[in-house]
Amino acid sequence: GENVEQHPSTLSVQEGDSAVIKCTYSDSASNYFPWYKQELGKRPQLIIDIRSNVGEKKDQRIAVTLNKTAKHFSLHITETQPEDSAVYFCAASSRDTGRRALTFGSGTRLQVQP
Amino acid sequence: EADIYQTPRYLVIGTGKKITLECSQTMGHDKMYWYQQDPGMELHLIHYSYGVNSTEKGDLSSESTVSRIRTEHFPLTLESARPSHTSQYLCASSELRGGGPDTQYFGPGTRLTVL
Repeated sequence: GENVEQHPSTLSVQEGDSAVIKCTYSDSASNYFPWYKQELGKRPQLIIDIRSNVGEKKDQRIAVTLNKTAKHFSLHITETQPEDSAVYFCAASSRDTGRRALTFGSGTRLQVQP
Repeated sequence: EADIYQTPRYLVIGTGKKITLECSQTMGHDKMYWYQQDPGMELHLIHYSYGVNSTEKGDLSSESTVSRIRTEHFPLTLESARPSHTSQYLCASSELRGGGPDTQYFGPGTRLTVL
């Protein structure tokens, strides 16, 4: 089955700096890679996702890159703000029939220092 | 408004009690999931369902059971609660049909404390 590894487990940056979170996956059939943000006491919420036919996707200050050959994908947050502080989870899945969806990484706790 | 609802939001019970955590969704989704999560920590899949009368065990052996009699409803039952079950339980759903992404949407969670 799929295995997703996420690094680092904790990340502290100064407000305005960039933050990068990296994930690797094992199943070459995976073709969908979402990122979730979970604020303290709240439910995980989708912030951005990418499909395997695209190498990069941006949405304002956040971007995700995908390297299918190396089987890794990354979340980039630029100009970080205190409200970006949260736990971020990457995930991978395949739409193939019979495959269970969404294997999550273990999470990264991002702390943005004002 | 389409959403995922979980009740109760908070529950404190004694050891040995039988409890059922409720999850309902108005998203029109076929697939539903239960996760166990200690605050801010890893998400552990405990059960999932592809549709009515379909249930599968996930990675975590939680001594719980689920049922899927109706598409929108996916309750989780603990037959005999123990202190080790103290955690947050998150329900989620996603769409099975079509070729779109398998995006999961989460409910607000039930925070369970077993004394």
